[in-house]
Amino acid sequence: AQKITQTQPGMFVQEKEAVTLDCTYDTSDPSYGLFWYKQPSSGEMIFLIYQGSYDQQNATEGRYSLNFQKARKSANLVISASQLGDSAMYFCAMREAWSGGATNKLIFGTGTLLAVQP
Amino acid sequence: DAGVTQSPTHLIKTRGQQVTLRCSPKSGHDTVSWYQQALGQGPQFIFQYYEEEERQRGNFPDRFSGHQFPNYSSELNVNALLLGDSALYLCASSLGTQGETQYFGPGTRLLVL
Repeated sequence: AQKITQTQPGMFVQEKEAVTLDCTYDTSDPSYGLFWYKQPSSGEMIFLIYQGSYDQQNATEGRYSLNFQKARKSANLVISASQLGDSAMYFCAMREAWSGGATNKLIFGTGTLLAVQP
Repeated sequence: DAGVTQSPTHLIKTRGQQVTLRCSPKSGHDTVSWYQQALGQGPQFIFQYYEEEERQRGNFPDRFSGHQFPNYSSELNVNALLLGDSALYLCASSLGTQGETQYFGPGTRLLVL
C-alpha cells in the first residue's frame, strides 16, 4: 500500500534561516506525483510545490524547493529565508496509483508543524 | 480568478442528524474531490466527482454521499451523524482526473455533539 511518512511532528527555525521538512514515501508504482501543501491555522490547504517521479530536475517555486531523492524514496521540502508567515502545518502528499488509471486522489502524511521564531 | 469556496464555514449538529456541505470549484476546474481531516491528522480522501458522477471512492461508509451539478459545484451529504464525523471537511478542485494539481478550499468545520 502507498504511504507517506513525516517523522517530524514539530520544527523550530529562526527567521531568515533555511529549514528542511522531511518526507519519505512508499510505492511500487513507477509513476507517481509528490506534493507539498501548507495549512495555516485557518484550515485552507495551500499548494506549494509538485515533483513528478520522472522529472529530471528537482522542483523549485520561489523560496520552496523539493529535494527529491528517488532511490531513497524521499521528497524533502526546503524553505529558504524563513518568514514569520511560514509558521503553519506542512503536509507531504502522494498522488495514488490506481488500477483505473490516473487519479487525483492524494495520500497525505501526518504533517509537520513549523514555527518560525523572530 | 475565483478560488475554491465552501459553505458553511462552521456547523454544529447532533448525533443521528444529516448534514450537507457545499463546494464551488476554482474557475475553469471541472473535478471536485472531498477530504475529511480529523484533528491532528492529514486529510483522508472521501470521493471524487467528474462529469456529475462519482469516479473514485475512499474507505468511507455509504452514509457519505455526494453530488456534482452541471456547473461543476458539488455537495457532500453525511447521514446518521456519529461523534467521529467531527472533522474539517475539505473540498479540492482540479481540471480533469489525470493527476493534475488540486487546489483546496477553506474547509467546513463540523462538530457533532
